[in-house]
Amino acid sequence: DADVTQTPRNRITKTGKRIMLECSQTKGHDRMYWYRQDPGLGLRLIYYSFDVKDINKGEISDGYSVSRQAQAKFSLSLESAIPNQTALYFCATSGGLPTYNEQFFGPGTRLTVL
Amino acid sequence: QKEVEQDPGPLSVPEGAIVSLNCTYSNSAFQYFMWYRQYSRKGPELLMYTYSSGNKEDGRFTAQVDKSSKYISLFIRDSQPSDSATYLCAMILSGGYQKVTFGIGTKLQVIP
Repeated sequence: DADVTQTPRNRITKTGKRIMLECSQTKGHDRMYWYRQDPGLGLRLIYYSFDVKDINKGEISDGYSVSRQAQAKFSLSLESAIPNQTALYFCATSGGLPTYNEQFFGPGTRLTVL
Repeated sequence: QKEVEQDPGPLSVPEGAIVSLNCTYSNSAFQYFMWYRQYSRKGPELLMYTYSSGNKEDGRFTAQVDKSSKYISLFIRDSQPSDSATYLCAMILSGGYQKVTFGIGTKLQVIP
């Protein structure tokens, strides 16, 4: 079984709709991250969380929100989706010292906003 | 100027060739350097992780860091078709948690 899972794997939605992307992990890691990947721009950090009560904005958090429901679950919401949020979204996790910089990625969610 | 520059390719090589993948960076404070491999329709997976300058070898893969030139490389010896993927360099500043800065990735195709 995969250590980091994401649902859904693919999603097509319309402008203005609210959607949620979910991430679950069985690695026992405290740290979780949400990235988006765009051609020519690479991976960019949206939000990160070091534990259930510690959530931080990344470099491109506008238009997104997150919820850390438990150590193993971290959800990303688009409150009102817009076409330029069409991208590949990845969840990642990392452990504590000394390996906290080694991130493990989920399989990704391909989101299309029409 | 981007903090991390990486040629997107694609790079096509014959099976058995030695592959050299490279990144340059502008921030001399980067201390941790990584290479991720990403197969099509999959998430990135950590391939190599090095701290500061020097070389690190793992099987057919060698990661090299030259901090004086702000240049990192990944060498793949005896390349195989299964090495066909996108390779992303990544780096982190020193001290505590710092966000990971990724290159855009180089797409590699190894032709049988």
